[in-house]
Amino acid sequence: QKEVEQNSGPLSVPEGAIASLNCTYSDRVSQSFFWYRQYSGKSPELIMSIYSNGDKEDGRFTAQLNKASQYVSLLIRDSQPSDSATYLCAVGSGTYKYIFGTGTRLKVLA
Amino acid sequence: KAGVTQTPRYLIKTRGQQVTLSCSPISGHRSVSWYQQTPGQGLQFLFEYFSETQRNKGNFPGRFSGRQFSNSRSEMNVSTLELGDSALYLCASSFGLAGVADTQYFGPGTRLTVL
Repeated sequence: QKEVEQNSGPLSVPEGAIASLNCTYSDRVSQSFFWYRQYSGKSPELIMSIYSNGDKEDGRFTAQLNKASQYVSLLIRDSQPSDSATYLCAVGSGTYKYIFGTGTRLKVLA
Repeated sequence: KAGVTQTPRYLIKTRGQQVTLSCSPISGHRSVSWYQQTPGQGLQFLFEYFSETQRNKGNFPGRFSGRQFSNSRSEMNVSTLELGDSALYLCASSFGLAGVADTQYFGPGTRLTVL
């Protein structure tokens, strides 16, 4: 079992819809959770970090964390074609190590 | 506030050569992590440095090494390059808070091509 799992996609959504991206992790003692967006040929760009159970909202983005289920998700409201990218989920532990999922490719159709 | 910078941005080397990549973290950040990204393997953790000490290391051969200087700038070195070392090498910095994997910010990366 991979330590951080994401559906590779592509996930296709129409413009203006809600895109839902999911990530599961295996290490129960994980403390920090991150979502990054990566455009082709570019480096990952931080969207949001979340440390506590529940929802965290930033503009059109909402991260949801459920440590009991070892699950973190990212919702993108009012999806735009410019949101088309690969979304990476990363999980951090207290040992200063970050494990990344392989990413979900999102395509927003105009 | 300036972001993470990496030099050079692009490199072409031949098999057997060695290469040194440089990373300057965000001001105030003392932790620098290095990653290798390839289409097949995704982002793979190489190592992490804090206050000139390697705190964590991934599963890469000894040909991959790194160091950190007193100003938190970091370098990574790959000796005896192999074709499979062709990748995007990313550096990320964070405050490096004790006991917490805090938010990392990535540099633009160095694209290494080994011929």
